[in-house]
Amino acid sequence: AAGVIQSPRHLIKEKRETATLKCYPIPRHDTVYWYQQGPGQDPQFLISFYEKMQSDKGSIPDRFSAQQFSDYHSELNMSSLELGDSALYFCASSPDRNTEAFFGQGTRLTVV
Amino acid sequence: EDQVTQSPEALRLQEGESSSLNCSYTVSGLRGLFWYRQDPGKGPEFLFTLYSAGEEKEKERLKATLTKKESFLHITAPKPEDSATYLCAVQHDYKLSFGAGTTVTVRA
Repeated sequence: AAGVIQSPRHLIKEKRETATLKCYPIPRHDTVYWYQQGPGQDPQFLISFYEKMQSDKGSIPDRFSAQQFSDYHSELNMSSLELGDSALYFCASSPDRNTEAFFGQGTRLTVV
Repeated sequence: EDQVTQSPEALRLQEGESSSLNCSYTVSGLRGLFWYRQDPGKGPEFLFTLYSAGEEKEKERLKATLTKKESFLHITAPKPEDSATYLCAVQHDYKLSFGAGTTVTVRA
């Protein structure tokens, strides 16, 4: 079965650089979520999209932005990177807003 | 404030030693409670969805139950491959809020 695909799997950036993370949800899933997970922490909700419109916003820094495109893939853009942004970033998709979300394997971002 | 609390933080079991994990929540407008399994460096893997008090779901050695204020994940006769972090998440306002997880280690 198709799963959520994230790219790249690993990314190393320097402080103050910009990073773009991509997510390809499971086909026919209309909801996409982005989460950040620091070492030893639980996933923290960043932002979600429903039918390509921003649905909810969590603890997402102003330096981060996200969008969902016409083909339903989503991108998380992160600017002015800080050391504290180093984490695993997960994308998840759901058939609708009231059902379980399926997670991708994540992008490990390291800021040096 | 909405909260999800999991206990214990860590659980060390001998192979075959059954136990239970707890997830208590205080959220308004609960739309669903979910259990996930997460291996180190991997994405959370969906296990169960529970929507109403009294509901139970089973999968192999795992069984999840739900009351009005908490959920339990029972692990029966665990095997070493059940070692992982088990995350509970509640859905409200169309987003998932996770607990801190219980890290389960099963020794052969």
